[in-house]
Amino acid sequence: DQQVKQNSPSLSVQEGRISILNCDYTNSMFDYFLWYKKYPAEGPTFLISISSIKDKNEDGRFTVFLNKSAKHLSLHIVPSQPGDSAVYFCAASEAEGGSRLTFGEGTQLTVNP
Amino acid sequence: KAGVTQTPRYLIKTRGQQVTLSCSPISGHRSVSWYQQTPGQGLQFLFEYFSETQRNKGNFPGRFSGRQFSNSRSEMNVSTLELGDSALYLCASSLPRTVEETQYFGPGTRLLVL
Repeated sequence: DQQVKQNSPSLSVQEGRISILNCDYTNSMFDYFLWYKKYPAEGPTFLISISSIKDKNEDGRFTVFLNKSAKHLSLHIVPSQPGDSAVYFCAASEAEGGSRLTFGEGTQLTVNP
Repeated sequence: KAGVTQTPRYLIKTRGQQVTLSCSPISGHRSVSWYQQTPGQGLQFLFEYFSETQRNKGNFPGRFSGRQFSNSRSEMNVSTLELGDSALYLCASSLPRTVEETQYFGPGTRLLVL
């Protein structure tokens, strides 16, 4: 069963506008959530994370929102830049799961100049 | 601080052979996890090692094994390779979860099984 889902395989936005990437999860034991950015043939690069005790975390142009009741999180990128074009993965871990991450399928973001 | 390093970066093997991949974590990190990325299955957790002990294991057959050394370096071994084992194998390291929970990934080893 897919415990972390990213329902949009792709997203295209104009440079300077906001990019919103969404992620849903089903496992109520997840307590830590992360977003990674990935280029082909490279390892994922950590972007931003959020603990389940928070509902928002901001780091520069990146903001992650967590809605625990809806089991939903989103990544906002403002303003979007062409260099942000990559695959974005949402990941989650459990308190008792050690460092095991469960990943979503990824969303290909394309930022057009 | 140097990042996670993985060797080799690329590897070609034939069916039935075995392969060993290596991962050196970020200095001070004691947890090492391995993941497999394929186009059809996405990023799948293989196993995690902490203080030379396997702490977590994903749903992969016993052909996939690993170990961790006292310096936290880790190796992953796949025996009797199958065509479906062709994938990008990623290693990630982190501090103990109670300290920091973020995993940092290496560049991966691209394995092609012919």
